Amino acid sequence: DVKVTQSSRYLVKRTGEKVFLECVQDMDHENMFWYRQDPGLGLRLIYFSYDVKMKEKGDIPEGYSVSREKKERFSLILESASTNQTSMYLCASSFGTSVGDTQYFGPGTRLTVL
Amino acid sequence: AQSVTQLGSHVSVSEGALVLLRCNYSSSVPPYLFWYVQYPNQGLQLLLKYTTGATLVKGINGFEAEFKKSETSFHLTKPSAHMSDAAEYFCAVSFYGGSQGNLIFGKGTKLSVKP
Repeated sequence: DVKVTQSSRYLVKRTGEKVFLECVQDMDHENMFWYRQDPGLGLRLIYFSYDVKMKEKGDIPEGYSVSREKKERFSLILESASTNQTSMYLCASSFGTSVGDTQYFGPGTRLTVL
Repeated sequence: AQSVTQLGSHVSVSEGALVLLRCNYSSSVPPYLFWYVQYPNQGLQLLLKYTTGATLVKGINGFEAEFKKSETSFHLTKPSAHMSDAAEYFCAVSFYGGSQGNLIFGKGTKLSVKP
């Protein structure tokens, strides 16, 4: 079975702190994604990566950056956390060979910024 | 522009009743269509997907969906609801010409099941 793990289930940070969210997948997937989930808004894509050291902006990249130094690991970075970044963050991965590939999701990190 | 619309942010059914969750998409090219389920405090899990071929797709937990090109729809159904089906359901679409493997998600429908 594909396994996508995220470093924390719950995280509480203060405004202005630098925040790292880590995601690891164990299936040698090419593509990795970071989403933000808010009630009534569904999932919105922040960034995605289709190869090591490659990244592309999604729909809402402002205030975020990402890092992919190894194929299995994709990090989301909040350079200076703000209260409007309080949200559920979901990581996903896919094989990357086809448009119809399934995305496999991690359990999510619920981030609260005070 | 491609988009996904889920009609009804909340749906409530009685245990044993038919479940019908609606999804319509907008796409100028053939779509690939997905339904995901999210149980409380968990990530998303694939229920089923349509890529090509048979338009009636069967998924896990007794769910199925039918791709209707003329109606641009991909509604999710289950003949008899169980209490364990209470969750949030997301319809999603990807397509050639979009970024490789990217999904566009609907806003979700929360399903409640009454005893």
